[in-house]
Amino acid sequence: EVKLSESGGGLVQPGGSLRLSCEGSGFTFSNYATSWVRQAPGKGLEWVSAISGSATRTDYADSVKGRFTVSRDNSKNTLFLQMNSLRAEDTAVYYCAKDQRPWLWSPGDLYFDLWGRGTLVTVSS
Amino acid sequence: EIVLTQSPGTLSLSPGERATLSCRASQSVSSSSLAWYQQKPGQAPRLLIYGKVSRATGIPDRFSGSGSGTDFTLTISGLEPEDFAVYYCQQYGSSPLTFGGGTKVEIK
Repeated sequence: EVKLSESGGGLVQPGGSLRLSCEGSGFTFSNYATSWVRQAPGKGLEWVSAISGSATRTDYADSVKGRFTVSRDNSKNTLFLQMNSLRAEDTAVYYCAKDQRPWLWSPGDLYFDLWGRGTLVTVSS
Repeated sequence: EIVLTQSPGTLSLSPGERATLSCRASQSVSSSSLAWYQQKPGQAPRLLIYGKVSRATGIPDRFSGSGSGTDFTLTISGLEPEDFAVYYCQQYGSSPLTFGGGTKVEIK
């Protein structure tokens, strides 16, 4: 079964840090660019960051640039999102999602055929 | 950044009726790089349409995409009970990729 599974969410104070993980299974993880997409409570979808399959290229939304870092360990089929200097407006369910097309990387040129179930990040004092 | 505006915000229809959802872009979306997703409460989004008109694996043919340039449409030809959900469009022709605000299709 092809699957993505996120973990690492929780409650954190403003200014704090959190690291999310996303494990892929059932497909060749390293072949696909992967993204983080978030959804604030009751709101729509917002793309956060992306990383190429080879882990050599990354891209970020302006809202998180300089605070969040995306990385991946293809030997463990795992994607990460290191989130620093967290703000209340970062409160959301964070989904990892893979691009449908293998071996492709072009900033912005991503659409997602597989999503995880999401992990909730709450930034509050 | 391309802003996608979806309308209407909510569509109230009965099972069996035809649903027409609109997605308007602030600039032309290149190469028909437009996708549609369905999201049900408590679930992750599911890819329905990519490349403006291509159905994703396992998506029934009552779902169809159309449009060009700045105006795109998702049509559901006859609503089934499981189709009542929120639908999002997404463009991937220009960085950063962006999503529309969503259209909720609810039972009338």
